[in-house]
Formats: sequence, structure tokens, C-alpha cells
Amino acid sequence: SQQGEEDPQALSIQEGENATMNCSYKTSINNLQWYRQNSGRGLVHLILIRSNEREKHSGRLRVTLDTSKKSSSLLITASRAADTASYFCATAVFTGANSKLTFGKGITLSVRP
Amino acid sequence: GAVVSQHPSRVICKSGTSVKIECRSLDFQATTMFWYRQFPKKSLMLMATSNEGSKATYEQGVEKDKFLINHASLTLSTLTVTSAHPEDSSFYICSAQRWRGRTSGGPRNEQYFGPGTRLTVT
Repeated sequence: SQQGEEDPQALSIQEGENATMNCSYKTSINNLQWYRQNSGRGLVHLILIRSNEREKHSGRLRVTLDTSKKSSSLLITASRAADTASYFCATAVFTGANSKLTFGKGITLSVRP
Repeated sequence: GAVVSQHPSRVICKSGTSVKIECRSLDFQATTMFWYRQFPKKSLMLMATSNEGSKATYEQGVEKDKFLINHASLTLSTLTVTSAHPEDSSFYICSAQRWRGRTSGGPRNEQYFGPGTRLTVT
């Protein structure tokens, strides 16, 4: 079943602009992760934020997590044409020794050169 | 490090035949691997959790006799789509879980994803 819901579903911006994508979820989580997928390809892990963290940075990426609102946002600053891809949030719940991921529907980002 | 491969990357088969997809962790051992299915422009849906040395755990609604999973070693899991039908056409992605120990906050492990296998059933 779907856990994360991203919005917007599609985003088109000009190169150099910032892109903000949001994710909401329904149940308690242990961490939340963001992935990128280029068309027809596998997933690339971007960043992980734990449930006790509020903000995290990695290069041009900034992710926030608000567990009270069950939401997260991913900000890509100074976007590039190469950032064009689908972006997914995934919530992780620990089950024993495993970490089970549930993916949102994804956001299609188009960065115009 | 942490590379996961899938083979084949693309396969076309006729309706009624079976297809095997391999998922390998190339530079680490994975006692747990996951199989996902993705329809065009849709999200990844977890199909099953593959455990080395034991039976796979299937998600609700996934037919275990239709999608056979064998986790033969610490670096290899296979998914066999039996008696394939056109509605089984999809993008199948595996991930391998790398165990990094346990902290007070829970298990530290990371999933590394394979590049996916495009299955087309004609």
C-alpha cells in the first residue's frame, strides 16, 4: 500500500531555479529517504533523514522532516538540466533486522536549459 | 562499493513461458534482498522480501506461486515469473540490504538498488 504522497506530481522549472518537492505520509516511520530515477533506470539514493532529525544537507540538496505533520520536503538548489528525473520519497520502518521501504508515487521534475 | 546488478536488463518472452531474473550484490553480502515492481510512470511496489536460507515473505496480493523467489546465496537472489502473461509486463527492480550493525535507534542498514529488468510478455 502507498505510504508517501508527493506533491506536486510534476514540476517544470528553468535551469538555475530551485526545485521544492514535498512528501506526506501516514504512519510512524524510522527514517525517510529520497531517491532519483532517470527514465527506465534504477534508483539512485539521494539522502536519508532519521525520524529524530529535522533537517539535513548534502551538496545542493536540503531535506526537512516534520514528524508532527508527517511530511518532508526536498529542495534542490541551483537546478541543472541533468537534474531532470523522477523523484521518490520512501519511508522506512524497521521490522526486526530489516528496513522496509514504502515508496510514494513520485514527482517528475523537468529542468529546462 | 555497494553495487547491485540485475540480469537480464531486458527480456521479451511469449505468454505461458517462465522468466528468471537475477539480482546480485557484487561487493557485499546481503542476507536480505527485496523485489519491487514498477508500472510505467508509477511508483515502486514491494512484492516480496527475500531471505537467504529461508522462504521469501510476500506482500499482500502477490501470488507466491506466480513469482518464485530463491535466495540461493549471500550474493544472489532470483525472481522467476512463471507462466507469464502480458499483464506481468513491467519493470522489476531488486535491492540488496547491507547490514551495518545495530544502534540504540534500531538496525543500521541500507538498501542498494539494481538497475532494473524490463519484462515484456507478448
